[in-house]
Amino acid sequence: EVQLLESGGGLVQPGGSLRLSCAASGFTFSSYAMSWVRQAPGKGLEWVSVISGSGGSTYYADSVKGRFTISRDNSKNTMYLQMNSLRAEDTAVYYCAKESQIAVAGLFDCWGQGTLVTVSS
Amino acid sequence: DIQMTQSPSSLSASVGDRVTITCRASQSISSYLNWYQQKPGKAPKLLIYSASSLQSGVPSRFSGSGSGTDFTLTISSLRPEDFATYYCQQSYSPPFTFGQGTKLEIK
Repeated sequence: EVQLLESGGGLVQPGGSLRLSCAASGFTFSSYAMSWVRQAPGKGLEWVSVISGSGGSTYYADSVKGRFTISRDNSKNTMYLQMNSLRAEDTAVYYCAKESQIAVAGLFDCWGQGTLVTVSS
Repeated sequence: DIQMTQSPSSLSASVGDRVTITCRASQSISSYLNWYQQKPGKAPKLLIYSASSLQSGVPSRFSGSGSGTDFTLTISSLRPEDFATYYCQQSYSPPFTFGQGTKLEIK
């Protein structure tokens, strides 16, 4: 069974940093691209970033470009999102999502349960 | 960036009704269109991919159609567990944008 478990969320002050993790199990992690998708309280879904299975290709939403960095450690079956210069508008539940293939495709066939990030003073 | 617009934003219907949700892309995305269902407090779930392909395990009362810029999600006969929020999403090119969502409520 595919399982994705996010961690690392919490309360952080504006301008601060946080690193999210997504631990994967039940599939060959290195064979699939992975994405982060967020959802602000009471709002819709916003795609944040994607990384290919090898880690060689990454893409970001304009809203986080230059502040967030996606990475993965295939030896640990874990994906990360390093979030710097956090703003109030980054407050959201952050989901990790498994893609359908090794290359970036934008098709999310399995999701974690999410971790809440709150940016507030 | 490709903008995705869903209509309606909310919809009231009864068990057994047939409902259709529409999604429009700001430019042609061929058939790179996916539909997700989200229930309160839960993660989204993939229903339909490539505009019309049913994800494994999803009931056949769900169907999708369209190509280019205009797409539809149809639920042929609503069941109580279908009341949720539905999102379309383009996978044509990053950033992989979502529609604003359609909240399906019980009448």
